[in-house]
Amino acid sequence: DQQVKQNSPSLSVQEGRISILNCDYTNSMFDYFLWYKKYPAEGPTFLISISSIKDKNEDGRFTVFLNKSAKHLSLHIVPSQPGDSAVYFCAASANFGNEKLTFGTGTRLTIIP
Amino acid sequence: SAVISQKPSRDICQRGTSLTIQCQVDSQVTMMFWYRQQPGQSLTLIATANQGSEATYESGFVIDKFPISRPNLTFSTLTVSNMSPEDSSIYLCSVEQGGYGYTFGSGTRLTVV
Repeated sequence: DQQVKQNSPSLSVQEGRISILNCDYTNSMFDYFLWYKKYPAEGPTFLISISSIKDKNEDGRFTVFLNKSAKHLSLHIVPSQPGDSAVYFCAASANFGNEKLTFGTGTRLTIIP
Repeated sequence: SAVISQKPSRDICQRGTSLTIQCQVDSQVTMMFWYRQQPGQSLTLIATANQGSEATYESGFVIDKFPISRPNLTFSTLTVSNMSPEDSSIYLCSVEQGGYGYTFGSGTRLTVV
């Protein structure tokens, strides 16, 4: 049972445009969500998080939106840069991050120069 | 955030043998986590390792197959025992970093032949 789903395995975006990566979850106990970026041969790197008490969190070019009623979150990257090309994982946890992380399967983002 | 040194970075092993993966953190942490990422799959938690106590394994993972040691607050090892080709994966250790989310090691890419 995949509790965290990233339905787009890959996404290509022109440099300078907005990249939107989507994530859906099924477990209503999840209340803390994170996005990670992973380059080949490296471990995942934490990008941004959001708790269920908020519906938006912004950090520089990265913004995460949470729609609790739809059990959906998205990561917006604007403007997209070539260095953003990587695999992006969303992850979710219960108890405001005190429970284990459940990861999605990842979306490979390619930024086209 | 913490810096994690994980080794080996990759290895090719014969079936039936065992491999021990080491994780060294540059600061003391209470819990360390071991994940597996099979080809094309998401990161799956294997076990949580607390210093001074037995590791807690997730469903589908057993101590005989994946013994874990946690001798102090900065170090842990994961052994993949009696390997088969199905164990070919990337193995990652991780620590929780509060507001930084979770920090991951660079991973160990294991190929079993």
